[in-house]
Amino acid sequence: AQSVTQPDIHITVSEGASLELRCNYSYGATPYLFWYVQSPGQGLQLLLKYFSGDTLVQGIKGFEAEFKRSQSSFNLRKPSVHWSDAAEYFCAVGANNNDMRFGAGTRLTVKP
Amino acid sequence: SQTIHQWPATLVQPVGSPLSLECTVEGTSNPNLYWYRQAAGRGLQLLFYSVGIGQISSEVPQNLSASRPQDRQFILSSKKLLLSDSGFYLCAWRVGTITDTQYFGPGTRLTVL
Repeated sequence: AQSVTQPDIHITVSEGASLELRCNYSYGATPYLFWYVQSPGQGLQLLLKYFSGDTLVQGIKGFEAEFKRSQSSFNLRKPSVHWSDAAEYFCAVGANNNDMRFGAGTRLTVKP
Repeated sequence: SQTIHQWPATLVQPVGSPLSLECTVEGTSNPNLYWYRQAAGRGLQLLFYSVGIGQISSEVPQNLSASRPQDRQFILSSKKLLLSDSGFYLCAWRVGTITDTQYFGPGTRLTVL
């Protein structure tokens, strides 16, 4: 079965600084990759997804992610973080059988 | 448009008491439905999923069960809660394949004392 690792449990960045959240997956076939964001006490919202084509994927709220097959990674980036981006971010990998597995999440704190 | 509801939003229950959490979806038909649990620092754990009425697949053995009595209704239950059942429970739905978006409900915060 597929699995996801998010190495960073908690990241703090200053407002206006760039952001990169790491995600590594394990899956024997072509993966379906997702990033979700969760605001405190809320459900999850899809930021972006990748399953084929251009390896640089644009999402909502100014986020992007790059699929690197050689590194089994799908890192999430944003050039300039806003205070409203403070949340928990989840990477997920899906398989052909519709099974989707989530990472443990990375909590983002934004300093003023 | 599609909407997903979960209730209650928060729940505090004593150990050994029963549990019933409800999830309903509006605006779509024959969705795949999912129950996840989110424990502190442990990400999302898939508990159950359903591809149709009366069809339930369990991902992990536990004292929880799920039922799907109607196409757009998914219920999570327990006969006797444990302290370890505390967490944030999320319902989700998807129509189509893995490439289609999976939508999440607002969640239920369960505290077992």
